[in-house]
Amino acid sequence: GAVVSQHPSRVICKSGTSVKIECRSLDFQATTMFWYRQFPKQSLMLMATSNEGSKATYEQGVEKDKFLINHASLTLSTLTVTSAHPEDSSFYICSAEQTAGGSLEQYFGPGTRLTVT
Amino acid sequence: KNEVEQSPQNLTAQEGEFITINCSYSVGISALHWLQQHPGGGIVSLFMLSSGKKKHGRLIATINIQEKHSSLHITASHPRDSAVYICAVRYASGSRLTFGEGTQLTVNP
Repeated sequence: GAVVSQHPSRVICKSGTSVKIECRSLDFQATTMFWYRQFPKQSLMLMATSNEGSKATYEQGVEKDKFLINHASLTLSTLTVTSAHPEDSSFYICSAEQTAGGSLEQYFGPGTRLTVT
Repeated sequence: KNEVEQSPQNLTAQEGEFITINCSYSVGISALHWLQQHPGGGIVSLFMLSSGKKKHGRLIATINIQEKHSSLHITASHPRDSAVYICAVRYASGSRLTFGEGTQLTVNP
């Protein structure tokens, strides 16, 4: 099946710094990518939908100035957590949508564990 | 109340047992996904289906559109099947997914 990678897999940063997380579709082009956040023992929460070449669509309650999303190419979307705080510590997961044969299959990345100290 | 309901929330089985996890949703969908998440977090897409039944190895997924219900079956379960299994649906109007709360499966040797 299609492969989606995320980098880094784990990151520890100090409060007030910014962290960039990359999401790549390795063997297909993805016009749409999704960014999720997952708290311990909870399900995935959609943060934003990232469309190549246009502004991301953020879910209600998600600060667009804090979670900057850039989808500059058909294989890469980045999520930057700006001025990180300990409450931003979480597991961030991306998915990429492949439109093959008319079906919209989503493939998930392995996730990035962010710890803000 | 979650629009996508899974049952059971937790399931413990002995190796070799047949496992069934259920997922119900409330309105019409265009597709339903079954996902697997191991400790450590990575998510693997097991199935995407919009009708009927799919099989991959020891895993079988079925969906009944009229009943708005899907099941994930694991035959001859193994401790390595221990994971959280998540049902997610895509409604007809878009491509975003709505997730169930997940089912924590533990298979003991």
